[in-house]
Amino acid sequence: DSGVTQTPKHLITATGQRVTLRCSPRSGDLSVYWYQQSLDQGLQFLIQYYNGEERAKGNILERFSAQQFPDLHSELNLSSLELGDSALYFCASSAQTGSDTGELFFGEGSRLTVL
Amino acid sequence: AQSVTQLDSQVPVFEEAPVELRCNYSSSVSVYLFWYVQYPNQGLQLLLKYLSGSTLVKGINGFEAEFNKSQTSFHLRKPSVHISDTAEYFCAVRDRGSTLGRLYFGRGTQLTVWP
Repeated sequence: DSGVTQTPKHLITATGQRVTLRCSPRSGDLSVYWYQQSLDQGLQFLIQYYNGEERAKGNILERFSAQQFPDLHSELNLSSLELGDSALYFCASSAQTGSDTGELFFGEGSRLTVL
Repeated sequence: AQSVTQLDSQVPVFEEAPVELRCNYSSSVSVYLFWYVQYPNQGLQLLLKYLSGSTLVKGINGFEAEFNKSQTSFHLRKPSVHISDTAEYFCAVRDRGSTLGRLYFGRGTQLTVWP
């Protein structure tokens, strides 16, 4: 158990809909990262938050947005869903940016299926 | 920016045989290196990491990896595999000097161990 909790584990929805994925980082971790894993693209970095602030942006579509709340949990919002958005979405956390040399701790992912 | 190439997308081996999963990276700066494993329907779990010091790094489950700076490689090895090692393995790199913690991942290598 990595200590990172993601909900829901599975989600099936229709094209055009909007969903919210939730992530609770490990206790004490300030940084949260979102990754998308699909068969054709592999593991793609979407976005990073640190202590409530956006720190880095990767290949995140404009239809997607995220935020990190004061209690450090994070949500990834996916809107106007398309078939190609079907993927496994991972949240990861780490203690802090900068001086930490450690790894990211991953949740078990939220599998999104868009029909 | 960093990039990671995992040279084999699939590696089939028989039980108790040795295995090597190859990883090369490209970076203009010093890096930290990681290997993660993903079992079916699970998140990513850290196998081992190289931060500094000895270039031979030992991880969990009998895996080890060797950092070769001149060849920019970080190959993963195990002298004798088990059926339970069947999983997808990801090599990842992080910029040593960055204040951001994001990891750049390779496309993954599916290791299948046959009885």
